[in-house]
Amino acid sequence: AQSVTQLDSQVPVFEEAPVELRCNYSSSVSVYLFWYVQYPNQGLQLLLKYLSGSTLVESINGFEAEFNKSQTSFHLRKPSVHISDTAEYFCAVSEWGTYKYIFGTGTRLKVLA
Amino acid sequence: DVKVTQSSRYLVKRTGEKVFLECVQDMDHENMFWYRQDPGLGLRLIYFSYDVKMKEKGDIPEGYSVSREKKERFSLILESASTNQTSMYLCASSSFGERVSYNEQFFGPGTRLTVL
Repeated sequence: AQSVTQLDSQVPVFEEAPVELRCNYSSSVSVYLFWYVQYPNQGLQLLLKYLSGSTLVESINGFEAEFNKSQTSFHLRKPSVHISDTAEYFCAVSEWGTYKYIFGTGTRLKVLA
Repeated sequence: DVKVTQSSRYLVKRTGEKVFLECVQDMDHENMFWYRQDPGLGLRLIYFSYDVKMKEKGDIPEGYSVSREKKERFSLILESASTNQTSMYLCASSSFGERVSYNEQFFGPGTRLTVL
């Protein structure tokens, strides 16, 4: 069955330090992969997505994620975080041909001054 | 600017009340979704609709029903609210397109429902 695992429920990191938020998935078919971000008291916003092609995808605010098929992972990274990156981050998977997304349980990133 | 709006940001209801949560999108999207978000559980799909008057159960439909009479509006109904339905409810929409599964879902701000 399709599932998404975000092992880290909370990640504290100092400002300007690098960060990696981990996401692993399981599926027996091909998938599309997404990272969404939720700022306090807001809905979710798409951060980046992998559909096909280059396995490294980037967002406009400096985040990147790499699709690793052999390890079934889609980890999110940023080389230098800012206070404004404090938010909850959700990894999601969608199997080809379906309407449904399966979301992970979320990782709360807290950037410390 | 694309928008998904939800009728209330905060709602307090009593056990046994009938509760309506409304969601409206202005993007002419075919697909609409209702999720509930709980700490440590992430987002779980309650129902989704891929067309007017069409609906399919998600992963946790028990205790909920939905209505989609117009393309832009998708309502979630709690027939008899219970305390275990206290949660954050998120509505989302997406276009149909050629490959539905990669179409971005756009989310509303959420409704935090408390059932006393």
